[in-house]
Amino acid sequence: EVQLVESGGGLVQPGGSLRLSCEASGFTFSSYWMYWVRQAPGKGLVWVSRINSDESSRSYADSVKGRFTITRDNAKNTLYLQMNSLRVEDTAVYYCARDGLRKNAFDIWGQGTTVTVSS
Amino acid sequence: DIVMTQSPLSLPVTPGEPASISCRSSQSLLHSNGYNYLSWYLQKPGQSPQLLIYLGSNRAPGVPDRISGNGSGTDFTLKISRVEAEDVGVHYCMQALQIPLTFGGGTKVEIK
Repeated sequence: EVQLVESGGGLVQPGGSLRLSCEASGFTFSSYWMYWVRQAPGKGLVWVSRINSDESSRSYADSVKGRFTITRDNAKNTLYLQMNSLRVEDTAVYYCARDGLRKNAFDIWGQGTTVTVSS
Repeated sequence: DIVMTQSPLSLPVTPGEPASISCRSSQSLLHSNGYNYLSWYLQKPGQSPQLLIYLGSNRAPGVPDRISGNGSGTDFTLKISRVEAEDVGVHYCMQALQIPLTFGGGTKVEIK
């Protein structure tokens, strides 16, 4: 079964750090571009970051640039999001998503992991 | 950034009746390869989003043919020919033409 499973969310104080993981299974992970998308409580979807298949290209939303780092380990079929200098406004459910080949759309989503930034 | 504007915000529908959601972009989403980089997603209550339509008009695997997407350039529409209970949730459009990728604000479809 094609699947993405996120982990690593939790409660953290402002200024703190967290590392999210997204483990892929059921497909050739190394062939796909991968993304992080977040959703604040009661709000819509917001793109956060993307990484290409061999890690040679990464992009970030302005709101997280310089604080978040996206990486991947193709040998472990895992995508990561290192989040530093967290702010209250980073509170959200974080989804990892796969960019379907030649679809330019997210054809597989994880179940999401919740990050709460609060003192 | 490309701004995506959806309407309506809320769409109460009667089962079996048609429904239509509009999505407009602030710039054309037509790539030089002839494809519109516009996709549609449904987020059912308490669930992750799921892909419905990609490249403007292509149904994702498993999506029933009563759901269709059309449009080009800056104007797009998601149509449901006969609404069913499984269509309830928030529908989002998204552009993937340029970074940052951007989503519409969402349209909440609910049964009357």
